[in-house]
Amino acid sequence: AQRVTQPEKLLSVFKGAPVELKCNYSYSGSPELFWYVQYSRQRLQLLLRHISRESIKGFTADLNKGETSFHLKKPFAQEEDSAMYYCALRGGSNYKLTFGKGTLLTVNP
Amino acid sequence: NAGVMQNPRHLVRRRGQEARLRCSPMKGHSHVYWYRQLPEEGLKFMVYLQKENIIDESGMPKERFSAEFPKEGPSILRIQQVVRGDSAAYFCASSPTGLAGTGELFFGEGSRLTVL
Repeated sequence: AQRVTQPEKLLSVFKGAPVELKCNYSYSGSPELFWYVQYSRQRLQLLLRHISRESIKGFTADLNKGETSFHLKKPFAQEEDSAMYYCALRGGSNYKLTFGKGTLLTVNP
Repeated sequence: NAGVMQNPRHLVRRRGQEARLRCSPMKGHSHVYWYRQLPEEGLKFMVYLQKENIIDESGMPKERFSAEFPKEGPSILRIQQVVRGDSAAYFCASSPTGLAGTGELFFGEGSRLTVL
């Protein structure tokens, strides 16, 4: 079975502060991990995938297989980062994404 | 490209009625996925379809729920004899290659079903 846990339902930081959104997963094989984001009144969209090892909008995420984590980080949060963030895992099948419950990030001015 | 289109955006039904939710995938996409989001929950996979085929319906409740993706027209998620527990947001997503490629899903804005 595959499971994604996002322990924080809400996260609030001030502009310019570092931010880390936590994601832990459970999967016996070799997973692929993703972060999806939903800005206010917009659709859910892909933010980044671990396999690309890229930084998008200043966000990075490293897959830590030892800790089974895929935390999303940004050194200096901006107000426009305020959104709902979902961590997702793709396991053995090529089409099924398992999502966490999401973390609502609020960046205060 | 208008993106994934879902309608209706909001649907209210009384217990025992039927709900039909429609999804038109992005142009060029032939793979459709339905997810359900219950209040305070994450998105849960329901069904994966390609044109005229159900590939995986392991996330669909055994009764009252069905999905189709005909050769022509949108994909339809049908819920018969709705109950209050069916109240949720239903999201449709599409992809061009069945996630075997980039792993990216393109989501619609969702259909919010309320059962009175």
